[in-house]
Amino acid sequence: AQKVTQAQTEISVVEKEDVTLDCVYETRDTTYYLFWYKQPPSGELVFLIRRNSFDEQNEISGRYSWNFQKSTSSFNFTITASQVVDSAVYFCALSEARASGGSYIPTFGRGTSLIVHP
Amino acid sequence: DSGVTQTPKHLITATGQRVTLRCSPRSGDLSVYWYQQSLDQGLQFLIQYYNGEERAKGNILERFSAQQFPDLHSELNLSSLELGDSALYFCASSVSPVAYTGELFFGEGSRLTVL
Repeated sequence: AQKVTQAQTEISVVEKEDVTLDCVYETRDTTYYLFWYKQPPSGELVFLIRRNSFDEQNEISGRYSWNFQKSTSSFNFTITASQVVDSAVYFCALSEARASGGSYIPTFGRGTSLIVHP
Repeated sequence: DSGVTQTPKHLITATGQRVTLRCSPRSGDLSVYWYQQSLDQGLQFLIQYYNGEERAKGNILERFSAQQFPDLHSELNLSSLELGDSALYFCASSVSPVAYTGELFFGEGSRLTVL
């Protein structure tokens, strides 16, 4: 069963628009961790944020913000005033103890390709 | 630059062949993870090593094997290659054996094309 769903395959925006990338997860663990990673054209995945299941506070880092809602099992990512350099594939990931035999190996969603046009 | 080095960056080979992908983790990181990224399967976890020992296993085929050496570099061996093995293979590293404690640092990947 898919644990992390990123329903948006590709999003195209014009620079300075705000954009929200959706992430819905599924788990029976009470302790779990959620991540967002960015994969720019160069290829390597770059860590953006980690959030544990007990911390539902939203987080803001510059133009990036994350909204974690356990009630809807969602961990959405918003980029404010998007820029061309934000063009990348963004992955949401879930770490559970039970599914990974205690090692919390992240399970990744399929990713959302964000294209920001000048 | 994440500090994780993967070689080769690109590899083209034929069906039935065997290849070895190499990964040097970030300095100080004891844990190495291998992931396969393909268009149809997305990013799939293959295997994790911690300080030379296998720690966790994911969807790794029997034709694939890996090891981590005393100097902490790791190799992923892919044998009897099939067309469907064409993918981008990522190595990632972390300090801790438990992946949730922090971020994974990813290399740039090795792109394997099987013809």
